[in-house]
Amino acid sequence: EAGVAQSPRYKIIEKRQSVAFWCNPISGHATLYWYQQILGQGPKLLIQFQNNGVVDDSQLPKDRFSAERLKGVDSTLKIQPAKLEDSAVYLCASSLDLVYEQYFGPGTRLTVT
Amino acid sequence: QKEVEQNSGPLSVPEGAIASLNCTYSDRVSQSFFWYRQYSGKSPELIMSIYSNGDKEDGRFTAQLNKASQYVSLLIRDSQPSDSATYLCAVTNDMRFGAGTRLTVKP
Repeated sequence: EAGVAQSPRYKIIEKRQSVAFWCNPISGHATLYWYQQILGQGPKLLIQFQNNGVVDDSQLPKDRFSAERLKGVDSTLKIQPAKLEDSAVYLCASSLDLVYEQYFGPGTRLTVT
Repeated sequence: QKEVEQNSGPLSVPEGAIASLNCTYSDRVSQSFFWYRQYSGKSPELIMSIYSNGDKEDGRFTAQLNKASQYVSLLIRDSQPSDSATYLCAVTNDMRFGAGTRLTVKP
């Protein structure tokens, strides 16, 4: 069974530029999560989808971050414009349904200069 | 505010010893609890899930849950150098993670 796929793996941009990340969850998983992990900290939930609906986006900085999950499968996370403090690893995870264990993708390491 | 607390460590144990990792949480309605292992530069990987009070064993790993005390722990028996990593505690319903405990197993 294929795992969670993410791209790109690494991205370097200048502040005020925009960037987008892509995630393809495990086949059949209804729930998809985006996390931000800053070095030395635990992952912080940005947004949670159940199929193509948003369950929780309370910690998503909506003035600059947006996410969508069209057709309840793939998802994209966008940052526009980026700030220096957005430098982090962005992790995508999926689970069979709510409250089940999550499986993480390899992550995208973003550096904002 | 809902919180998940872990001792940041680092925790150092000799090879073959038992490593004990602890986690407390503030949201009393949490139903599911997970332990993840994260090697440096890698993404978290699931070790254990636990949903009911008591112990759950899987190989060298034992998860313990006490909902009354809002406490979940992970024991690693016969610790190996390959167990050296950061261990993350995660709690539903809103999937909050602790900051992680860094474990070093010395040969």
